[in-house]
Amino acid sequence: QSALTQPASVSGSPGQSITISCTGTSSDIGAYNDVSWYQLHPGKAPKLMIYEVTDRPSGVSNRFSGSKSGNTASLTISGLQAEDEADYYCSSFVSGIWVFGGGTKVTVL
Amino acid sequence: QVQLQESGPALVKPSQTLSLTCSVSGGSINSGAYHWNWIRQHPGMGLEWIGNIHHNENTHYNPSLRSRIVISINTSKNQFFLNLSSLTAADTAIYYCARRYCTANSCSLFDPWGPGTLVTVSS
Repeated sequence: QSALTQPASVSGSPGQSITISCTGTSSDIGAYNDVSWYQLHPGKAPKLMIYEVTDRPSGVSNRFSGSKSGNTASLTISGLQAEDEADYYCSSFVSGIWVFGGGTKVTVL
Repeated sequence: QVQLQESGPALVKPSQTLSLTCSVSGGSINSGAYHWNWIRQHPGMGLEWIGNIHHNENTHYNPSLRSRIVISINTSKNQFFLNLSSLTAADTAIYYCARRYCTANSCSLFDPWGPGTLVTVSS
């Protein structure tokens, strides 16, 4: 069981917005802006989508945004598209190692 | 554009040692700004950070695997390596290599990643 908790699945219709949560503790997510998000498509290299809670790497669509409230970080996908269907993982530095959340499967209905 | 590519056996026997190579192209592995990582994903499960190495050969391992792993680097070949010993079926996973770097507020940027290689441990 990961130290970072994510919902197993989230779904939405094309054009809608969805939000994926990543819950840690006051010692990790709550204390630092050290959260990143990754998109995994089967058979492809995982892709960095968000870093430092809110920042987008060059080339990542502005439909992807990050935020944090207390011990929970969130990834929001706006204007959901079929190509967004994938697994998403949050990550942070927890108790001396890098930890990933359990992953959230995003389904586009 | 930096690219990473994993290589190694797809099938290994229990109790043996897994040896994987990550080849880095489009940039030098010999940069102090980066750490070179191994991460795995068990079938149908989440990601697990295995460990990393710096070009100066400093390593940092996941304590849950420390007794069985060795990560090494060859800067002249622009490659780094994972050796995982005493394999069991529980080591069956997709193994990824990834570059990690820091910004002002975060050292959790894994980018880019290789496409991963599936390793099955079975007799």
